[in-house]
Amino acid sequence: DGGITQSPKYLFRKEGQNVTLSCEQNLNHDAMYWYRQDPGQGLRLIYYSQIVNDFQKGDIAEGYSVSREKKESFPLTVTSAQKNPTAFYLCASSIERGTEAFFGQGTRLTVV
Amino acid sequence: QQQVKQSPQSLIVQKGGISIINCAYENTAFDYFPWYQQFPGKGPALLIAIRPDVSEKKEGRFTISFNKSAKQFSLHIMDSQPGDSATYFCAGRRGYSTLTFGKGTMLLVSP
Repeated sequence: DGGITQSPKYLFRKEGQNVTLSCEQNLNHDAMYWYRQDPGQGLRLIYYSQIVNDFQKGDIAEGYSVSREKKESFPLTVTSAQKNPTAFYLCASSIERGTEAFFGQGTRLTVV
Repeated sequence: QQQVKQSPQSLIVQKGGISIINCAYENTAFDYFPWYQQFPGKGPALLIAIRPDVSEKKEGRFTISFNKSAKQFSLHIMDSQPGDSATYFCAGRRGYSTLTFGKGTMLLVSP
């Protein structure tokens, strides 16, 4: 089945540790996105990538980093510089930027 | 940051009733307005979308009404069912840019 796989579904980390969230897609989409979702805040764009080896900051990129070494993969690292990392993180992809976005099932990160 | 303002934040509707969620946008260059539906613990999924050259689009029980002059659009869910209970997000986009989302509406349809 084609789709977007985010792993793990739940993730716990101690404060001060970096953590990497996985996002893999087999839809052959060029564009991929990372969003952060907090209660009552909607979806806020962290980073997006239109093509391999290229990515741009979204609205709330501070404290996050990404890489796009393969078309299928767009991992997100939440660094210790992110002040409030506990959130629900959503990965999405689209054929190209500006076309319909398909979302993964999300990773709920809790930092204690 | 161009915003999309969504209301209400939460909504309770009786089974069989009409659910109405409203959004207002600022960027007149937006040319695509989708609605996403999200169930708890899941990712959002595209529900229905409209472009500003039409005033209404209907898909089954879901209808988008679009008022270009007022820069507003709304989602109507007819004959609301408990299975429609979810969070709904409106969004806007200009050309090939990224989506700008509203803050979401939690809909509860009571049996």
